[in-house]
Amino acid sequence: DAGITQSPRHKVTETGTPVTLRCHQTENHRYMYWYRQDPGHGLRLIHYSYGVKDTDKGEVSDGYSVSRSKTEDFLLTLESATSSQTSVYFCAISESTIGTRARNNYGYTFGSGTRLTVV
Amino acid sequence: AQTVTQSQPEMSVQEAETVTLSCTYDTSESDYYLFWYKQPPSRQMILVIRQEAYKQQNATENRFSVNFQKAAKSFSLKISDSQLGDAAMYFCAYRTTNDMRFGAGTRLTVKP
Repeated sequence: DAGITQSPRHKVTETGTPVTLRCHQTENHRYMYWYRQDPGHGLRLIHYSYGVKDTDKGEVSDGYSVSRSKTEDFLLTLESATSSQTSVYFCAISESTIGTRARNNYGYTFGSGTRLTVV
Repeated sequence: AQTVTQSQPEMSVQEAETVTLSCTYDTSESDYYLFWYKQPPSRQMILVIRQEAYKQQNATENRFSVNFQKAAKSFSLKISDSQLGDAAMYFCAYRTTNDMRFGAGTRLTVKP
C-alpha cells in the first residue's frame, strides 16, 4: 500500500549495535503501531502511538523504544540489538479507534515489513 | 487479556473446493471488531474480511464469508471455490481500543 512505507526492507546487524526502523505514512492517520511477527506467535504489539509525541507500550516492549515527532513518521529503535530480536517487523496505521465513533472500519493498513537479522 | 486462538496451524484444500479456518477468542468486552488477514509469500498483510460484534449478520466478501458465533466466541472463515491465489497464511484478529490481537496463523495450501 503506497500510503505506508517501511525502511529498510531487510537489515542484518550485529549483537549489541543500535538499530532504527522507520515507518512513514501519507494518510495523516492518528494511530500508528509497531508489531513483530514470529512463527507460532502471529503478530505481537511492541509500541503504539496515538498522536505526535504520544506513545505507549505494547505486549512485548522490552528492549525497544519509539519516537513520533511528526504525524507521518514513527521510529522503532533497538538500543542494543540481541539475537532474540531477530524477527519481521511490521508498522501499521489506523484512522481511528473503537469508541471514537468515527465512521471507519477500524482495520489496520500495514507496511510491507522489515526483516531484521541480528547475528 | 484478550487472546485469539487458531487451532489449525496448517490446512489444505483442493482447488475449487471449500475450506473453513477456525478462530476463537476470549474477551469480556461487548464492543469489538474481528478481522481476517491474509499474508501471501510477499509478506504483505491484506485485509480479507471484518465483522462488527454488534451485528448478528455474518459478513461476506465475494468468496469469503464468516461464521460469527458471539456467545461461543467463535469466528471462522469460509473460503468457497478455492483458488491457487488463496494460498497464504491467514490470521484471525481481534480489535481492542488500543491494539489488535492476532492468532498464531493458519497456513493454507491449495492443491491444483
